[in-house]
Amino acid sequence: DTAVSQTPKYLVTQMGNDKSIKCEQNLGHDTMYWYKQDSKKFLKIMFSYNNKELIINETVPNRFSPKSPDKAHLNLHINSLELGDSAVYFCASSQVHEQYFGPGTRLTVT
Amino acid sequence: QKEVEQNSGPLSVPEGAIASLNCTYSDRGSQSFFWYRQYSGKSPELIMFIYSNGDKEDGRFTAQLNKASQYVSLLIRDSQPSDSATYLCAAHSGGGADGLTFGKGTHLIIQP
Repeated sequence: DTAVSQTPKYLVTQMGNDKSIKCEQNLGHDTMYWYKQDSKKFLKIMFSYNNKELIINETVPNRFSPKSPDKAHLNLHINSLELGDSAVYFCASSQVHEQYFGPGTRLTVT
Repeated sequence: QKEVEQNSGPLSVPEGAIASLNCTYSDRGSQSFFWYRQYSGKSPELIMFIYSNGDKEDGRFTAQLNKASQYVSLLIRDSQPSDSATYLCAAHSGGGADGLTFGKGTHLIIQP
């Protein structure tokens, strides 16, 4: 029944590693997103993606890349992880403008 | 630079009273506005959205929008301890796949 799901829930890794976070939605929505919530709880858009366009927030380092195998999935790949990448990453989806969030992935880089 | 501003709080309200949460936005092109509730350690949960000037009511919640003043508010009537959370205001520009611009949230505490 979960509308937007993410795996893993927790991810602990060392600097320099490459990791991926998976996101799936069963709402039939056309658009998916990745957000980052930092230690001060500020939620910021990283990527928006639908069949036609990818919008990248200009502040996102190119070490981050979204990959969408199909409309229901949007994965986040992160290369060469840095300490500052530690945060909670939320996936979301929408059909119009109302966005529904997944449970989040807490990434800790040591 | 699109910005959404909220008072971070904490805002402390007695149980049963009305909690009033406010937000302003900088981008006049913003078309729609959202209120999310986030409990500690959980994901944001959509509780209200509003597109047109005026009030929109849903149960104990009322969202208010004034585009001329670039101001959005959320009223919670008959506040309950379970309403204690961080409330995030967000704006959307109206573009097809644009993400939401969030404020930093207001921490609301309902005192029993």
